[in-house]
This record gives sequence, C-alpha cells and structure tokens, in this order.
Amino acid sequence: SAVISQKPSRDICQRGTSLTIQCQVDSQVTMMFWYRQQPGQSLTLIATANQGSEATYESGFVIDKFPISRPNLTFSTLTVSNMSPEDSSIYLCSVGGGTLGDTQYFGPGTRLTVL
Amino acid sequence: KQEVTQIPAALSVPEGENLVLNCSFTDSAIYNLQWFRQDPGKGLTSLLLIQSSQREQTSGRLNASLDKSSGRSTLYIAASQPGDSATYLCAVKAAGNMLTFGGGTRLMVKP
Repeated sequence: SAVISQKPSRDICQRGTSLTIQCQVDSQVTMMFWYRQQPGQSLTLIATANQGSEATYESGFVIDKFPISRPNLTFSTLTVSNMSPEDSSIYLCSVGGGTLGDTQYFGPGTRLTVL
Repeated sequence: KQEVTQIPAALSVPEGENLVLNCSFTDSAIYNLQWFRQDPGKGLTSLLLIQSSQREQTSGRLNASLDKSSGRSTLYIAASQPGDSATYLCAVKAAGNMLTFGGGTRLMVKP
C-alpha cells in the first residue's frame, strides 16, 4: 500500500484568492491524480499529474483554473485559482502504478471552503 | 461515456445482518473494478480490487463479485457491525487509467 499525506487538511479562503494543495507519497509511483468531491456528491477526476510535463485535464477542467505541478515521482501540487464559493469541495490526491500495482490509493483529502 | 450506478443510495440495517451493495456500469470494457470505503469528511480506503478477468475477491467479512458481461458488481458484507457504517463507493477503470465512480451507498449499521 501507500501512505499519502496532503497539506493543508482544510482551509477557509476568501473569494478571488488561490490555494495550493500539496500531496506527498511515501514511495515512487507511476501515476498521480487529482479528484474533486463536491458536497454530497461522488468523486470527479480533475487531471492526471505527469512528471516533468503538463498535466492531462479532464473535460470541464482547465490549466488556468487548476494548475498542477509534479516535479518528481513522489510529490505533486494542485492550485485552485481565483476561487469562488462553487470551488468549495474536498480535493483528493490519488496514486497508483509502479510497485502499487493496479490498486489506486487516496490521500486524506483537503476540505476547502470558499466564502 | 462510462456511467456507474450504485443501489441503494442509503441503507440502514441492525447489527449482525448480512447485506449486499450493488454497482452497475454501462461499458463492459473495463480493466478492473475497485470498492472503497469513505468515512465522513475523510479520504477513501481501498477495500477490494477485482481485475476484469476475475469473478470475485474476498477480504475478511467482505466479498466482491464481478460480472463484466452484464456490467454488475456486488459487495457482500457478512455479519455487519456498527464500525462498518460509512459510504461505500465502487469505481471502474477503463482506458487512460481513469476511475469512474458511482454515487455511493451510505450504510448505517445500528447497534
């Protein structure tokens, strides 16, 4: 399995500001993903974080709003830019591949509230 | 586009009951299916992974089955306990390593 940490665990932010969420995993992994879980809903994939290159975004998500970095095989960041109340969600980092095989593991999540 | 549905959306049972959670998906071209547990305000805990070539997987009191041709999976929980109370999510993986999640089943086991 994998031990995944996310920082911050929660935050309350003002409209128009940006927040960067960090994801750290305890082993080198092939794949890292960022998901969003809006209140009362299931998870939606935002993007796949690619090491050393631009992230691959899913339909409805764009780099200007959700810039992602992945400088190495164990770390990634997701920034939520120019936030609005609609961005209030739990943001989850997920990893898989490499020594983890096909199972996908999730971090504890970052609970974001935008006022 | 893959769609995943979970029934029921919510379930309340007395402690000790055996129960079945259902998951269906529209596109049978999957690589695997994974069941997760999510406690309120927390991340996801992986419970079981079933590869597309497999029929079932077991872990303790949990048993998950997969019928890929009919687009169905079930999660069987034996002798339920209050500690099993959580939301259970199924997710299928297809091309591109993307997981598509169902809406979840919110389970409450009453002492």
